[in-house]
Amino acid sequence: GQNIDQPTEMTATEGAIVQINCTYQTSGFNGLFWYQQHAGEAPTFLSYNVLDGLEEKGRFSSFLSRSKGYSYLLLKELQMKDSASYLCAVRDSDYKLSFGAGTTVTVRA
Amino acid sequence: IAGITQAPTSQILAAGRRMTLRCTQDMRHNAMYWYRQDLGLGLRLIHYSNTAGTTGKGEVPDGYSVSRANTDDFPLTLASAVPSQTSVYFCASSKGGDTGELFFGEGSRLTVL
Repeated sequence: GQNIDQPTEMTATEGAIVQINCTYQTSGFNGLFWYQQHAGEAPTFLSYNVLDGLEEKGRFSSFLSRSKGYSYLLLKELQMKDSASYLCAVRDSDYKLSFGAGTTVTVRA
Repeated sequence: IAGITQAPTSQILAAGRRMTLRCTQDMRHNAMYWYRQDLGLGLRLIHYSNTAGTTGKGEVPDGYSVSRANTDDFPLTLASAVPSQTSVYFCASSKGGDTGELFFGEGSRLTVL
């Protein structure tokens, strides 16, 4: 099974940078995903890491260290629309995705 | 482009009643999933199907059943609903492969009284 931990809440100022950490313990690792979910909406895909290192996609970057069971999502130049829940998810060898409880990010003006 | 369609959007149900949540995708994805989302617990996998004709149990399968008669449809049935099944239910699909990102439906909010 999977055990996925991420902080419950984070608050940051518009224009700032926020880093959301995720640690996991898994029986069969086959990729780590980050999803964004606005209140009352469905989750949407943000990023995918399967090898160690940093993946950059615009204002969002995701990092993975498989040996440490650790990932982070970096949100740069925060905008008000980035206020949402960010979900860390680990895929196992059967291609099933297990999610952490999510980190609610609040961006203040 | 519809993507994934779930029905109903919202439902209030008496305990003990049978309920089927419908999920249809038009992306010809092989894999489909049902998750429930509860406050503080995140998304938990109920059942999944890697391809038409096959299904598997997720983390919280008790009280739920699924079928996958064809590629497009993946209904979730609660045989006899209980209040602990009050939740938001999300259906998702994936084309598989390396990235294999999930595409989610808009969710079905179910309240069991």
